[in-house]
Amino acid sequence: EAGVAQSPRYKIIEKRQSVAFWCNPISGHATLYWYQQILGQGPKLLIQFQNNGVVDDSQLPKDRFSAERLKGVDSTLKIQPAKLEDSAVYLCASSWRDEQFFGPGTRLTVL
Amino acid sequence: AQSVTQPDIHITVSEGASLELRCNYSYGATPYLFWYVQSPGQGLQLLLKYFSGDTLVQGIKGFEAEFKRSQSSFNLRKPSVHWSDAAEYFCAVGSNNAGNMLTFGGGTRLMVKP
Repeated sequence: EAGVAQSPRYKIIEKRQSVAFWCNPISGHATLYWYQQILGQGPKLLIQFQNNGVVDDSQLPKDRFSAERLKGVDSTLKIQPAKLEDSAVYLCASSWRDEQFFGPGTRLTVL
Repeated sequence: AQSVTQPDIHITVSEGASLELRCNYSYGATPYLFWYVQSPGQGLQLLLKYFSGDTLVQGIKGFEAEFKRSQSSFNLRKPSVHWSDAAEYFCAVGSNNAGNMLTFGGGTRLMVKP
C-alpha cells in the first residue's frame, strides 16, 4: 500500500515570497491533516479536512496560510507571503479509523 | 485545552539497556493516547495507542506503554534497546478515537550508545 506522498521534500525561499506544498493521501482516507513542526518541537495541527470540507482550522494563520482539498483527495497548503518564523517541516497525514498516517514532510527554509 | 509534556528532551542509553520515556498529559475527559516515533528524514510512525481497557498496551518493535490515570501519565518502555531505536519519540493526546485533533508533546530524542 502506498503511503502519504508529499512534494517537494525541500524548499528554500526568501521572506515575502510565496510557496505551495502538495499532499496525496492514502487512497480511501477521507480525513486529511496538515501539521507544522518547528525544529525542536512536536507537530502542531494547522488544518483538518473531512473529504473536501474543513473540520478545524483554528490554528491556521489565515492572513498568510491557505489550504484546499479539491475533490476530497489531494491537498495543497500555501503560504503567502512567507515570514522567517514559517521555517519548519510541514507534515501531511491522512487517517482511517483510529490511526493517522504521516508523509515524509516538506522542509521549508525561509531566508 | 489538552496538552502533553515530555520532560526529557534528550536521553542516552546503552544498547541492551532498558528504556523509559516519560509523558504527562492534561485532558478534561477520557484521553486517547498515542506514541509516535520519527526517524531522521522520515514521517511519524505509530508505535502504540490507548483508548480504553487494559492500561498496559503493547506496540510494535517491542515497545509497551502504561496508562496511569492517577498520575496523568502514559510512559513508554522497552526492556532492551537496539541501536536502531535511536530516533525522536512523540507522545500525543487525541480528542476522540479517530485520532482527530492530536496534540503532541515536544518530543524526546533517544540516543543509543554501543
